[in-house]
Amino acid sequence: EAGVTQFPSHSVIEKGQTVTLRCDPISGHDNLYWYRRVMGKEIKFLLHFVKESKQDESGMPNNRFLAERTGGTYSTLKVQPAELEDSGVYFCATRDLRGDNEQFFGPGTRLTVL
Amino acid sequence: AQSVTQLGSHVSVSEGALVLLRCNYSSSVPPYLFWYVQYPNQGLQLLLKYTSAATLVKGINDFEAEFKKSETSFHLTKPSAHMSDAAEYFCAVSDLDFNKFYFGSGTKLNVKP
Repeated sequence: EAGVTQFPSHSVIEKGQTVTLRCDPISGHDNLYWYRRVMGKEIKFLLHFVKESKQDESGMPNNRFLAERTGGTYSTLKVQPAELEDSGVYFCATRDLRGDNEQFFGPGTRLTVL
Repeated sequence: AQSVTQLGSHVSVSEGALVLLRCNYSSSVPPYLFWYVQYPNQGLQLLLKYTSAATLVKGINDFEAEFKKSETSFHLTKPSAHMSDAAEYFCAVSDLDFNKFYFGSGTKLNVKP
């Protein structure tokens, strides 16, 4: 069974540009989460989808961040326009709605804003 | 509110020595606690979890952790370190629905030959 995949693995952009990160969940996992780790600090929750619906977006930093999950499959996280402080590693995690309490994490996307 | 503190951003041990990674938590509800490991260029992998069952939890690769309510701790141990244990370790506490995890800042484990 394929795990959670994220694209790209690395992205380097200039301040003011737009970047879109993608997460493909484990097949059948209805819960999808985005987290971010900035500068070696703690990994922080950004938001939670159940299928295509946003359940909790309390961790989204500001309105420059937009997450979508059309069709309840893969999800995208767009940052527009990117700022220097958005640099970090963005993790996606998924969990089976009916299953265990474990969140399965992807390898992350390392975003560098110059 | 939940939070996690991991003491020591870097820990270095010799191969064969005891590994001890510290985690203290703060939670307003009975906690669910997790340890994840991240190897280079990989995602976070679950090592073990405490979800209100036995207080001594055994995980993969001979790791274990003990939940101590009185100390609000969930320290991770392994009797004998292997070179392959070199990685970054994260302690986390979750909300009651396992939908929001609160992570510590991570501890990088270095294993010396």
